[in-house]
Amino acid sequence: RKEVEQDPGPFNVPEGATVAFNCTYSNSASQSFFWYRQDCRKEPKLLMSVYSSGNEDGRFTAQLNRASQYISLLIRDSKLSDSATYLCVVNLFGGGSQGNLIFGKGTKLSVKP
Amino acid sequence: DTGVSQDPRHKITKRGQNVTFRCDPISEHNRLYWYRQTLGQGPEFLTYFQNEAQLEKSRLLSDRFSAERPKGSFSTLEIQRTEQGDSAMYLCASSWSGEDTEAFFGQGTRLTVV
Repeated sequence: RKEVEQDPGPFNVPEGATVAFNCTYSNSASQSFFWYRQDCRKEPKLLMSVYSSGNEDGRFTAQLNRASQYISLLIRDSKLSDSATYLCVVNLFGGGSQGNLIFGKGTKLSVKP
Repeated sequence: DTGVSQDPRHKITKRGQNVTFRCDPISEHNRLYWYRQTLGQGPEFLTYFQNEAQLEKSRLLSDRFSAERPKGSFSTLEIQRTEQGDSAMYLCASSWSGEDTEAFFGQGTRLTVV
């Protein structure tokens, strides 16, 4: 089982749609969680951290369920500029790991006019 | 520019040759990561330094790969006896230590082995 698994996508949605991405992780030693965004032919950049209490940043909401080892990202009122690949990331501490960041394969989002 | 920089941006090499890439992290960051990314995949963890200490190395990493960070600042990644399967984007990232710190990526070195 891969350490971080995501919906493979691609997700093709119209502007204004709400879209949700899911991610599961296998290592219970995972301590912190992130969503990164990667535009075509660019490097990944942090979109938001994910906290157990859930957190929101404008149109973006991230949720974490430690018991189920599940992370989600919700994008409301999607814009053309949201088109990108969204990467789920966990930071491992313990179980032999000392802080390396493990990335999922990413979910590609394409927002159409 | 005070971001993470990588050199070269592109490298074409013949199979069997050795290549070396350099990463200059953000100067205040004590952590440095190397990743490899192929088309349609997420970044695959290769290795990770905290200061000059190499704390982890992927089990999937061949012994043809070696990385150093001699003074806890810049890092080099060397691939010996390159194979066509080594063709990929090699990404470097840096961050502060701590559980919830953002990792900043360089623009990567694209390696093509012919």
